[in-house]
Amino acid sequence: DQQVKQNSPSLSVQEGRISILNCDYTNSMFDYFLWYKKYPAEGPTFLISISSIKDKNEDGRFTVFLNKSAKHLSLHIVPSQPGDSAVYFCAASGGGGSNYKLTFGKGTLLTVNP
Amino acid sequence: SQTIHQWPATLVQPVGSPLSLECTVEGTSNPNLYWYRQAAGRGLQLLFYSVGIGQISSEVPQNLSASRPQDRQFILSSKKLLLSDSGFYLCAWLKGAGVQGYTFGSGTRLTVV
Repeated sequence: DQQVKQNSPSLSVQEGRISILNCDYTNSMFDYFLWYKKYPAEGPTFLISISSIKDKNEDGRFTVFLNKSAKHLSLHIVPSQPGDSAVYFCAASGGGGSNYKLTFGKGTLLTVNP
Repeated sequence: SQTIHQWPATLVQPVGSPLSLECTVEGTSNPNLYWYRQAAGRGLQLLFYSVGIGQISSEVPQNLSASRPQDRQFILSSKKLLLSDSGFYLCAWLKGAGVQGYTFGSGTRLTVV
């Protein structure tokens, strides 16, 4: 039972255009969502996050949108750059407790073409 | 500074052989520690987490075990590897409160042949 779903395994975008990566979740107890970026042979690095009390969080070229009613979040990258090419993981946390466990999606491989 | 070390980077092991992956953290004390695995075609799956020395919680039944013999050391082990144990193993630690503080190691690519 996959609680965090990234249904697009890959996405290809032209440099300068917008990249939109999508993520859906099923667990209503999730209250914090994160996006991680991963290059080959490296561990994921934190990119941006959003709390369930917000519907938007922006950090430079990266914006995350949260639609709680649809249990959907998306990451927008504008403008996309070749260096953004990586695997992007959506992750969620919540449900109480202090163990801060993350549930990840399968990831989306973003390729930004020059 | 706070860093996380994970080794080896790659490992090829025959079926039935033992496994020991080590993760150490520097520059902090009493961190939460985590082992994740990404198998082919799947997302990162939490295997074990530890909130202190000797305290291990297992998330999924499997052929692996974990131990935390020291505050900043987290070890993933197996007595006999299976083909299905192949994957990319990541250690992570949490600094401070809140999941935003997760920091991952560089990972170990394990191939069981």
